[in-house]
Amino acid sequence: DIQMTQSPSSLSASVGDRVTITCRASQSISSNLNWYQQKPGKAPKLLIYAASSSQSGVPPRFSGSGSGTDFILTIFSLQPEDFATYYCQQSYSTSTFGQGTKVEIK
Amino acid sequence: QVQLHQWGAGLLRPSETLSLTCTVYGGSFSTYYWSWIRQPPGKGLEWVGEINHSGSTNYNSSLKSRATISVDTSKNQFSLNLTSVTAADTAVYYCARENIFAEWTAFDIWGQGTMVTVSS
Repeated sequence: DIQMTQSPSSLSASVGDRVTITCRASQSISSNLNWYQQKPGKAPKLLIYAASSSQSGVPPRFSGSGSGTDFILTIFSLQPEDFATYYCQQSYSTSTFGQGTKVEIK
Repeated sequence: QVQLHQWGAGLLRPSETLSLTCTVYGGSFSTYYWSWIRQPPGKGLEWVGEINHSGSTNYNSSLKSRATISVDTSKNQFSLNLTSVTAADTAVYYCARENIFAEWTAFDIWGQGTMVTVSS
């Protein structure tokens, strides 16, 4: 099974900051990597699919990059509504999620 | 607008069988794979398994054959049965659509989630 490792597990940031979350796959997954945002008590929301393509309606401050085993989610200019937990997910071979990164207010 | 509505028993005793159903409203049922994903309290997401309209399934190997996903195309529904539950199966269970974006897939529509608690 493919393992997904996110870092950091949590971070503190201020409104307006640029935030970077990394995700590493245990083997190459090409560009089969998706990013989700989850707020407490809510279902996850798809942000980025195929490593770098934005889902419809997602603000442009969310950007994804990477291929192979290493991927990055960048939030440019963090907004108050962006404080949430973010998950990566590989869809190369069935599905596996990373353990999540909680973005908290500094 | 596609919506997923899920339901099922929320409280089970150890060794019982978890049963959840998800109905798809709007859009095509036959184009996609449909998944179950769970999230233990305070923890991350775990993919349980998936099914398509013809009944082709894939499962998370960690569930050791306890999970069975079935489909009823006449009702645009798919269901999850998980046998011999223990406290470790306590989680919010989500149903989700696996959309196809060219050659890639992602979960783009989710149900509202069902909290299932296993306790004696």
